[in-house]
Amino acid sequence: GNSVTQMEGPVTLSEEAFLTINCTYTATGYPSLFWYVQYPGEGLQLLLKATKADDKGSNKGFEATYRKETTSFHLEKGSVQVSDSAVYFCALNYLNAGGTSYGKLTFGQGTILTVHP
Amino acid sequence: DSGVTQTPKHLITATGQRVTLRCSPRSGDLSVYWYQQSLDQGLQFLIQYYNGEERAKGNILERFSAQQFPDLHSELNLSSLELGDSALYFCASSVGTSGSRSSYNEQFFGPGTRLTVL
Repeated sequence: GNSVTQMEGPVTLSEEAFLTINCTYTATGYPSLFWYVQYPGEGLQLLLKATKADDKGSNKGFEATYRKETTSFHLEKGSVQVSDSAVYFCALNYLNAGGTSYGKLTFGQGTILTVHP
Repeated sequence: DSGVTQTPKHLITATGQRVTLRCSPRSGDLSVYWYQQSLDQGLQFLIQYYNGEERAKGNILERFSAQQFPDLHSELNLSSLELGDSALYFCASSVGTSGSRSSYNEQFFGPGTRLTVL
């Protein structure tokens, strides 16, 4: 079935450090891929997305590239800020065996990021 | 603010009880999804409704049920509650439901309802 695996957390960085959070997936066909962010006490917000191979999603300095050959969608940011401290979820849009896209999302386990001044 | 509203924000109840969580989707969205977030299971899809009809079911227990009303708001009913049902319950909405790679399926999440079963 479809699944998403994220790197184990938590991740602790100093301000202005480089961030990578790894995400790999297993799915039939070509799912759409997403990164969601959850700030403390809040719901999930879509951070970025990519809908086909080699697409690069970007938002607020974060980037992720849809790599079909490695089934990966790693999240990167060149210089993190304290305000980036949150939980980050990689997710894919569910596909059935025939490759039809449905709305439900399959999430990774989440990675807690803490950025210190 | 995603435009998705959920009530109540917090709910504390006892084992064996029944509760109802409410969700109002963004204006114009026809699909509503329910997710459960717990420490041991992570974020799991429960159920989806589209324009009043059930469209997809995930890891939803038989003690749980949901419905979507003509005004498109949705309710998640949890009965015979157990300690393990304590979790954050999120509702999300999207314009459509399937068959497209576009923003038609992009989901917007509500702030969640935190359920504590004592």
